[in-house]
Amino acid sequence: DADVTQTPRNRITKTGKRIMLECSQTKGHDRMYWYRQDPGLGLRLIYYSFDVKDINKGEISDGYSVSRQAQAKFSLSLESAIPNQTALYFCATRKLATYEQYFGPGTRLTVT
Amino acid sequence: AQSVAQPEDQVNVAEGNPLTVKCTYSVSGNPYLFWYVQYPNRGLQFLLKYITGDNLVKGSYGFEAEFNKSQTSFHLKKPSALVSDSALYFCAVGGGGYNKLIFGAGTRLAVHP
Repeated sequence: DADVTQTPRNRITKTGKRIMLECSQTKGHDRMYWYRQDPGLGLRLIYYSFDVKDINKGEISDGYSVSRQAQAKFSLSLESAIPNQTALYFCATRKLATYEQYFGPGTRLTVT
Repeated sequence: AQSVAQPEDQVNVAEGNPLTVKCTYSVSGNPYLFWYVQYPNRGLQFLLKYITGDNLVKGSYGFEAEFNKSQTSFHLKKPSALVSDSALYFCAVGGGGYNKLIFGAGTRLAVHP
C-alpha cells in the first residue's frame, strides 16, 4: 500500500550493529504497529503505538525499541542486532474506531 | 488467550474450481476476524472482516468468508479460482479489544492452470 512506506526495503547488517527501520504513513491514522514475519510463524507483534505519547510492548519486544516521532512516523530500532532477528518486518496503521490494519511493503533484514 | 489456527500449509486448486482456505480461532468474548493476502515481495492486503451481523462476509477480488460460531471457524472461499489468486493467505483475530491482531501461520494457495 503506497500510503504506508518503509525504509530501507532490504538491509544486510552484522551481529552487534545498531540498525533503525523507518515507517511513514500518509493515511492520517493514529494507531501504528511493528510486526515481524518468520516462515511458518505468521506475523508477531513487536510494538504498537496509539499516539506520540503512547507506546506499548507486543508479544516479542525484547531486543527492540521504538520511537514515535510524529503521528505519521514510527521507527523500530535493533540496538545490537543478532542473527535470529533476521526476518521480514512490517509496519501497519489503523484508524481510530475501525478494525482493519493497513500494511507497508516490508523490510527484509538479514543479520550475519 | 486468543489464538488462530490455519491447519493447511498449502492448498492446491485447479483454475476455475472453487477454493476454501481454512481458519479456526479461539477467543474469549465476541471475535473480530480478518483475512489478509500477501503477494510475493508485497505487504499484506486486507481482504475482508467479520465484526458482527451476517455470517457470510463478502470481500475484495470475489472472496467471501463464512463465520461459524459453533465450530469457531472463519473459512475463506471463492467460487472460481484464478491463477492470479496464488499467494499467501493469513487469517487473524482481534485480540485485546480490537487494538491488536493475532495472525495464523499462513496458508499458501497455489492455483494451477
